[in-house]
Amino acid sequence: GNSVTQMEGPVTLSEEAFLTINCTYTATGYPSLFWYVQYPGEGLQLLLKATKADDKGSNKGFEATYRKETTSFHLEKGSVQVSDSAVYFCALSDQWSSASKIIFGSGTRLSIRP
Amino acid sequence: DGGITQSPKYLFRKEGQNVTLSCEQNLNHDAMYWYRQDPGQGLRLIYYSQIVNDFQKGDIAEGYSVSREKKESFPLTVTSAQKNPTAFYLCASNTGGTNEKLFFGSGTQLSVL
Repeated sequence: GNSVTQMEGPVTLSEEAFLTINCTYTATGYPSLFWYVQYPGEGLQLLLKATKADDKGSNKGFEATYRKETTSFHLEKGSVQVSDSAVYFCALSDQWSSASKIIFGSGTRLSIRP
Repeated sequence: DGGITQSPKYLFRKEGQNVTLSCEQNLNHDAMYWYRQDPGQGLRLIYYSQIVNDFQKGDIAEGYSVSREKKESFPLTVTSAQKNPTAFYLCASNTGGTNEKLFFGSGTQLSVL
């Protein structure tokens, strides 16, 4: 079946550092890929998405590129801020079944030091 | 305001008891989902439903049951067969289509007495 694998956390960086959170997937067909974020005390919300190979999703300075050849969707940001501290979840949507089955990775906790 | 409402926020279950978690949405979304969140394990899919009167098992459906009698409502029952029910439960709905996006409720923390 489909699966999503994320790098384990926690990840701790200093402000203005470069961020990469790795995400790889296993899927039949052509899934859509997502990054969701859970800020402290808040619910999950969509950060960015990509629906086909070579698409790049971007939002709030974060980017991720749908790489079909490496089955990856790594999250990157050039200069992180304290306000980026949160738990990040990679997810995929399998629309080949009658309903869109959406599964998540295990999440990566990110802490940014001032 | 449109959104997803989960209740209760906290729930306690006794041994051998079934409990039901409520999820209501007024976003007019067709698809709804139940996830379980455990520390270090991310979100695991329990059940999902594309339309009224239809639902599919997710990856960890054993010990759970759902119904979808109305578009707005997707209640989850945690049965006595679920031996490790303590977790944070999240309900979501999906806009669907090419711009699909999940909207999440604020969750229910279930604990065993």
